Amino acid sequence: KAGVTQTPRYLIKTRGQQVTLSCSPISGHRSVSWYQQTPGQGLQFLFEYFSETQRNKGNFPGRFSGRQFSNSRSEMNVSTLELGDSALYLCASRMGVGNTEAFFGQGTRLTVV
Amino acid sequence: AQRVTQPEKLLSVFKGAPVELKCNYSYSGSPELFWYVQYSRQRLQLLLRHISRESIKGFTADLNKGETSFHLKKPFAQEEDSAMYYCALTSGGGQNFVFGPGTRLSVLP
Repeated sequence: KAGVTQTPRYLIKTRGQQVTLSCSPISGHRSVSWYQQTPGQGLQFLFEYFSETQRNKGNFPGRFSGRQFSNSRSEMNVSTLELGDSALYLCASRMGVGNTEAFFGQGTRLTVV
Repeated sequence: AQRVTQPEKLLSVFKGAPVELKCNYSYSGSPELFWYVQYSRQRLQLLLRHISRESIKGFTADLNKGETSFHLKKPFAQEEDSAMYYCALTSGGGQNFVFGPGTRLSVLP
């Protein structure tokens, strides 16, 4: 069974640009969550999607958005990038809403210059 | 508010010594507690969850609701245990994780 796949693995963007990151969950998993990992703030929850609907949202500005497709793949978008958005973005998939066991992807390392 | 604290940023022990990684939480309800581990250049992976009450790779963790703690223990540390360890909680019902800041465990030969 393939694990959680995130693309791209590495990304360099300029301040002010926007970026889209992709996450393919484990086959059969319908819940996808996104986390931002930085040395200063650690792992912080961004949002969670289940069956194409956002179920939960963390405390991030509106520049951070996401969506989920009918095949459970998810994308997150960050607009008007700031230097502070440089981080490792992790995606986690779960089978369903009531299931708490989460499987993480390798992450996308975003660097904003 | 939900919060997880891990007081040690870095913990160094010698091979064969006992190790305890501390985790305390604040949550008003009944949380589910987890330990996740991240080995060098590998993805974050589940090590333990309190509801399973199992031992993985020799590690155990007991949920102490009175002290709101979920410390991770291993009687004899191995060099391959060197990694970043994160304590996390979820309120259950599939809610998001709240992670602690992590403790880097270094097991010295």
